[in-house]
Amino acid sequence: GQQVMQIPQYQHVQEGEDFTTYCNSSTTLSNIQWYKQRPGGHPVFLIQLVKSGEVKKQKRLTFQFGEAKKNSSLHITATQTTDVGTYFCAGPRGAQKLVFGQGTRLTINP
Amino acid sequence: EPEVTQTPSHQVTQMGQEVILRCVPISNHLYFYWYRQILGQKVEFLVSFYNNEISEKSEIFDDQFSVERPDGSNFTLKIRSTKLEDSAMYFCASKGMGRGEGYEQYFGPGTRLTVT
Repeated sequence: GQQVMQIPQYQHVQEGEDFTTYCNSSTTLSNIQWYKQRPGGHPVFLIQLVKSGEVKKQKRLTFQFGEAKKNSSLHITATQTTDVGTYFCAGPRGAQKLVFGQGTRLTINP
Repeated sequence: EPEVTQTPSHQVTQMGQEVILRCVPISNHLYFYWYRQILGQKVEFLVSFYNNEISEKSEIFDDQFSVERPDGSNFTLKIRSTKLEDSAMYFCASKGMGRGEGYEQYFGPGTRLTVT
């Protein structure tokens, strides 16, 4: 079945450093979504990418969707302590099912 | 801002007991979901519900699980005979499908289920 893989599993950075997480799907995706889960919290939707090669920015966060619509990345510039959490990508499988990646847990040294 | 709510926040039960987890989705949403997350692991899809019936379910969602929308606001997940491996955080989510709305799902705060 469809698999969504994310790397790295963990990333520890100094505050102010950049951070990138990568997501790869075994199948072509109609869209990809990114969620953030703070420690002890629930997934919160960040963004959805639909078009091949699409790039979207939210302040210090840059999201990319690959040309083949099988991979995606999230890049955070100049991390802040508020960026701490686990970042999940998720791709649809079928009409309603969302398949989540394993997530990248970001910790930051202030 | 509208949000998904879930009760209880924490449920402790003995193996073999039935539990019902409750959710109130965002009021004008049409699609409802249950996910689970075992501690430290990824979010796993259990079931989706639309138009008063299950639209998709995963391999995890076996005969021990059922969902119901008993009235216009609540959405419940029942586990008939809990097992130790059912211990997890259970998230409810909902999604709208009106004009201009995307595919994003709105998650509730979760119910932590502990089976002893």
